[in-house]
Amino acid sequence: DIQMTQSPSSVSAYVRDRVTITCRASQGIRNYLAWYQQKPGKAPKLLIYFASSLQSGVPSRFSGSGSGTDFTLTISSLQPEDFAIYYCQQTHTFPPTFGAGTKVEIK
Amino acid sequence: EEQLLESGGGLVQPGGSLRLSCAASEFIFSFYGMTWVRQTPGKGLEWVSSISGSGVSTYYADSVKGRFTISRDNFNNILHLQMNSLKAEDTAVYYCAKDREAQPSYHMDVWGQGTTVTVSS
Repeated sequence: DIQMTQSPSSVSAYVRDRVTITCRASQGIRNYLAWYQQKPGKAPKLLIYFASSLQSGVPSRFSGSGSGTDFTLTISSLQPEDFAIYYCQQTHTFPPTFGAGTKVEIK
Repeated sequence: EEQLLESGGGLVQPGGSLRLSCAASEFIFSFYGMTWVRQTPGKGLEWVSSISGSGVSTYYADSVKGRFTISRDNFNNILHLQMNSLKAEDTAVYYCAKDREAQPSYHMDVWGQGTTVTVSS
């Protein structure tokens, strides 16, 4: 299975900060990469698919980039409602696999 | 608003069976692939099984293959996961999720609230 490694595992930031989370695949996955946001006690929410396509209804402060093995999720100006855990997921090679998550915390 | 509502979770002994259901509303159910994903504190998010919109194609993680069966009722807009020969490591919160496409792309844009399965004696 393809291993997805996220870094950092957690990050502390202030409201209005720019936050970048990285995800590395153990082998090339082209742009078959999705990002999800999960808040405590809630289901994951799709933010980005195909590495950079913004899911309908997701604020434009979220953006994704990358191809091959290295990907990033950027929150351009962190808002109070963005404090959550973020997961990457590869969908290139069966079975689909998730990263371990990055927790974005309030500083 | 598109919605999914899971049911059927609970406490079951090792070796037992459980059937999860997921009722879909506010979208054309048969147009989309559907997926079960589970989550544990230790292993994080794990894809379990998917089914195409027509129900013809099914896909399973190796960890559940031969024990779990995914199915769908496109008339009543319900997704099922029949879980047999349950093990302690199947303990998790199980989510059903809607795919963005008919043939599973594994990009899940609508999720249920989750149902908890606990396998313990």
